[in-house]
Formats: sequence, C-alpha cells, structure tokens
Amino acid sequence: QVQLQESGPGLVKPSETLSLTCTVSGGSISSYYWSWIRQPAGKGLEWIGRIYTSGSTNYNPSLKSRVTMSVDTSKNQFSLKLSSVTAADTAVYYCARDFKDVEMATIGAFDIWGQGTMVTVSS
Amino acid sequence: DIQMTQSPSSLSASVGDRVTITCRASQGISNSLAWYQQKPGKAPKLLLYAASRLESGVPSRFSGSGSGTDYTLTISSLQPEDFATYYCQQYYSTSWTFGQGTKVEIK
Repeated sequence: QVQLQESGPGLVKPSETLSLTCTVSGGSISSYYWSWIRQPAGKGLEWIGRIYTSGSTNYNPSLKSRVTMSVDTSKNQFSLKLSSVTAADTAVYYCARDFKDVEMATIGAFDIWGQGTMVTVSS
Repeated sequence: DIQMTQSPSSLSASVGDRVTITCRASQGISNSLAWYQQKPGKAPKLLLYAASRLESGVPSRFSGSGSGTDYTLTISSLQPEDFATYYCQQYYSTSWTFGQGTKVEIK
C-alpha cells in the first residue's frame, strides 16, 4: 500500500527557509494531487498547499507569498519550501495524498498521510 | 476563506453512548465536507467524505449528514478506540480549511 514519509531538518533558524521532502513508496506519485498540512502543538490543522504531478500548484492564500512546492516524479518525491520562517511556523508538518473517490475524481480530502515531522523555528 | 466552526470543542462520554459533533461552515459548501479522527501523536485518519460517504474500512457506527452550511458526525455506539479528536474539513473552495477540533474523552 502507498506510504508517505516526510524528511528534513527538525530545527530552522528564524528568517531562514524551511525545506521538507515527502517520499512516496508502494505506489506511483503520478496522477494525484499531493498536499502539505501543518499542526502546531495542541492546535488544529492548517492546509498549506498542494501540487499535481504536472507541477500545477494551489497554495493557501495566507502563506502563498512564502510557499514553493515542487515535484520530482523520477524520485517519487514532492517538496515544500517555506521562506522567512518565524516561531509561528513551528509545527508538525504532514504530507498527504488528495483522495480520489469511487469515480476516480479528485476531491480535496486526504486519504493517506505521512507520520508527520516536527519542525521547530528557533535560533 | 471559508471558516469552519465545530461544536462542542470537547465532550465526555461513556462506551456505548451515541455521540454527535456539529460542524458549521461560514457559507454553503454543497456537501464538500470530510471528517477525520486523530489520536495523540498520530496523523489524522479520513472517516467520511462528501458529508456522508464512509471511507473504505471505517466502521459503520460512524455516519455523517447535513447540507448547506450545517453538518454532523454521529458515532452510534462509542467504542474504547473512538476516544480521539475529530476534525471536519471543507473542500468546496480552495483553500481547504479545517474546524478547530472536538476532543471526545472518557466519562
């Protein structure tokens, strides 16, 4: 079955760029949307954005100016870059697959998630 | 952005109880709603989509209903493994947004 695994630094300095990669195993990355979602400790979930395997993206307007997503289909990976980070960006970051329903239509729910990776912004 | 408001924010219930959680959207979302279950230290798990469609493998004691701006998640008979936090999420309008969560605790 498809599994997702986030990787990247667990500590980022303020004003620097957070970089994470999600590796897809057990299946192809093709023909799906792939999302990033984050969750500060003890708080709710925030969708950051998504990327299709063609490279097409949608970003959360509140983060759009700082977010860049990319995909590498040859490695079955997709990535997140978040620039100019502050302490408010400290959170568990999840990668997730956008769900396809029984008609194979993509809907904006998430059926497969990575385990999450904690990223702390601190000097 | 569409704002999603869940109620209650927490509840205490006993095994076997019927539990209902409500989610209200700031505008109509045409059943473009998903529900998730999250246990401590784990990623959320998709329970339902399209407001009432059960994801494969999810027990039938979970059900969803609603229309327009108001939606509910019902657990017909609470089981020990159901104690968790539940989130609703709209996918009617990019960007997707989540409710603040409802924590279901043991009474």
